[in-house]
Amino acid sequence: GEDVEQSLFLSVREGDSSVINCTYTDSSSTYLYWYKQEPGAGLQLLTYIFSNMDMKQDQRLTVLLNKKDKHLSLRIADTQTGDSAIYFCAESNSGYALNFGKGTSLLVTP
Amino acid sequence: ETGVTQTPRHLVMGMTNKKSLKCEQHLGHNAMYWYKQSAKKPLELMFVYSLEERVENNSVPSRFSPECPNSSHLFLHLHTLQPEDSALYLCASSQENQSPYEQYFGPGTRLTVT
Repeated sequence: GEDVEQSLFLSVREGDSSVINCTYTDSSSTYLYWYKQEPGAGLQLLTYIFSNMDMKQDQRLTVLLNKKDKHLSLRIADTQTGDSAIYFCAESNSGYALNFGKGTSLLVTP
Repeated sequence: ETGVTQTPRHLVMGMTNKKSLKCEQHLGHNAMYWYKQSAKKPLELMFVYSLEERVENNSVPSRFSPECPNSSHLFLHLHTLQPEDSALYLCASSQENQSPYEQYFGPGTRLTVT
């Protein structure tokens, strides 16, 4: 299947910005997503971006898409301890199958 | 109840047992999914049901048997599992052909096979 790659860990201090990066291989991806998983919970959709966009901002979240390099990033401004979770990048071109990365564990320290 | 619910939340079973996982969605969606989440591996799509018909089966062993009696309910029947089947099993739902095709997930069932 198509690959979605993410770094496994990121640690930031409270109040700093976090940037989580993702690369994917499927050039026909239509939508790219960021999901958040808190301990003991399922995945929660944070935001998504359509492949013809290069940026999307939603409150503290900024998504950047470089379609040429197949690179997606999620920036969280003013990171809080409640943002500590696993963040999954995913892509879709069919409407059914989402290809997920392995997830990036974000640790926010006081 | 709102969103996607799953029961049980935790399950311990022996290799010779038969058990079932249940998922219910309260969102009016017409597609439902089973995913397997193992440590250090990407989320694996197991089955997809659309309008109660199975549309995708990603080479899942026959010891996993899905059932979708209606658009709101999805089951995963388990029998003679192996220890490597221990994982978090996530159910999700979505509205078919409605972009951005976002899937809503349940909290998962943590399965341990002894």
